[in-house]
Amino acid sequence: KNEVEQSPQNLTAQEGEFITINCSYSVGISALHWLQQHPGGGIVSLFMLSSGKKKHGRLIATINIQEKHSSLHITASHPRDSAVYICAVSTLTGNQFYFGTGTSLTVIP
Amino acid sequence: EAGVAQSPRYKIIEKRQSVAFWCNPISGHATLYWYQQILGQGPKLLIQFQNNGVVDDSQLPKDRFSAERLKGVDSTLKIQPAKLEDSAVYLCASSLAGGVYEQYFGPGTRLTVT
Repeated sequence: KNEVEQSPQNLTAQEGEFITINCSYSVGISALHWLQQHPGGGIVSLFMLSSGKKKHGRLIATINIQEKHSSLHITASHPRDSAVYICAVSTLTGNQFYFGTGTSLTVIP
Repeated sequence: EAGVAQSPRYKIIEKRQSVAFWCNPISGHATLYWYQQILGQGPKLLIQFQNNGVVDDSQLPKDRFSAERLKGVDSTLKIQPAKLEDSAVYLCASSLAGGVYEQYFGPGTRLTVT
């Protein structure tokens, strides 16, 4: 069993749609990270959160510590949002990281 | 602020050869990570350094992989001898001080073993 599970694995959306990617984890965490990886590109950190909600432009990340669940929302999606979105958690000691397998998002014009 | 630098960006070798990757983290970042990302999968942590000490290397195949971070700055990851299944992207990342801080990733080194 993976410590971090993401859904869906693949997602295709029309430009302008509201998108939600979910992440569930089974370990105690100090922080949860949402990362973005473009094809052939490096990984960029979008959010790091340990409680509540964070917003950056059209991206919103929420976390529910009690339910061990986080969501990444993209409002008014755009083709340039097409990428793999990865959820990762750092454990309570901060010394271990677990990654989800990623959600591949394609936004069609 | 300069980002995490890695070299080379691409490397093609034959199986049983050796290869080395280099990483220069963001200045002042105490924690350095090496990840292996096989196509279609999420990154897998190979080794984590705090300054020049190893924090976690539980998933590093120590019979063929080695890593060092001399003087707590630059790091090298070596594979000797390489196997076909080592074909992957090797990512280096750094953070200020451990997992409660944001990680910054380098562009990665794409290794192909033939």
